Amino acid sequence: NAGVTQTPKFRILKIGQSMTLQCTQDMNHNYMYWYRQDPGMGLKLIYYSVGAGITDKGEVPNGYNVSRSTTEDFPLRLELAAPSQTSVYFCASSYSPLVLGKRYTEAFFGQGTRLTVV
Amino acid sequence: GENVEQHPSTLSVQEGDSAVIKCTYSDSASNYFPWYKQELGKRPQLIIDIRSNVGEKKDQRIAVTLNKTAKHFSLHITETQPEDSAVYFCAARITGGGNKLTFGTGTQLKVEL
Repeated sequence: NAGVTQTPKFRILKIGQSMTLQCTQDMNHNYMYWYRQDPGMGLKLIYYSVGAGITDKGEVPNGYNVSRSTTEDFPLRLELAAPSQTSVYFCASSYSPLVLGKRYTEAFFGQGTRLTVV
Repeated sequence: GENVEQHPSTLSVQEGDSAVIKCTYSDSASNYFPWYKQELGKRPQLIIDIRSNVGEKKDQRIAVTLNKTAKHFSLHITETQPEDSAVYFCAARITGGGNKLTFGTGTQLKVEL
C-alpha cells in the first residue's frame, strides 16, 4: 500500500515556466488537498477536492490550478512560475467522514515536492 | 475563516523534561484538533487528535488538552527523548466544507542530551 505519492521530489523552474506536480493515492480517499509549506508559516491550503470532478479554492489559490478527473489523481498546475512560488508542496488525502460513519477522519500526506523558482 | 496561532516557535528542552506547545483558534465552530509531527525532510504525520466534546486525551507520553471556552488547546510531551526532536503543527477543523484543516505555524522542538 503506497499511500499518497507525489512526483517529482525536487524541481527547479525558471521564472515564467510551467509545470505540473503529480499526486496519486491508492487508499480510495474521496477528499484530496494541496498545501504549500513556507519556513515559519505552517501549511497553507491551495486547493482541495471532495471527489472526482469537484474542486474548490483554499487560502492561497492564486497562480495555481487543479483538476480531479479520477478518485486517485489530483495534479497541481503552476502556470507562469514566480519566485514567490518557491516552497515545499504537500499533497494529502482523507476519507469523507460520512464514508467511514465517523465525524473526523485523518489526513495522510505525501512526501512533498521541493520547488525552487529562479 | 479560521485562524490558528501556535506558540512557541522554537522550544529546547533537556532529555527527560516535559514540553508543552500551545495553540489558539478563532472560530468557535471548530470541532476537531489534530497534532502533526514532521521530522526533518519528511512528511507531516498525525500523532494525536482531540474532538470538541472531549477535554483531554492521552496516548503514552503525549497528551492533548482542549479548553473550548478559551478556544485553546495544548500538546504535552512527557519524558522527552531525542527522537521527539521535530516540528510539531497544531490544526483545527470546522464542521463541513471538505474536512479542511487550518494549521498553526509550527514549533521546532529540540531535545538535548
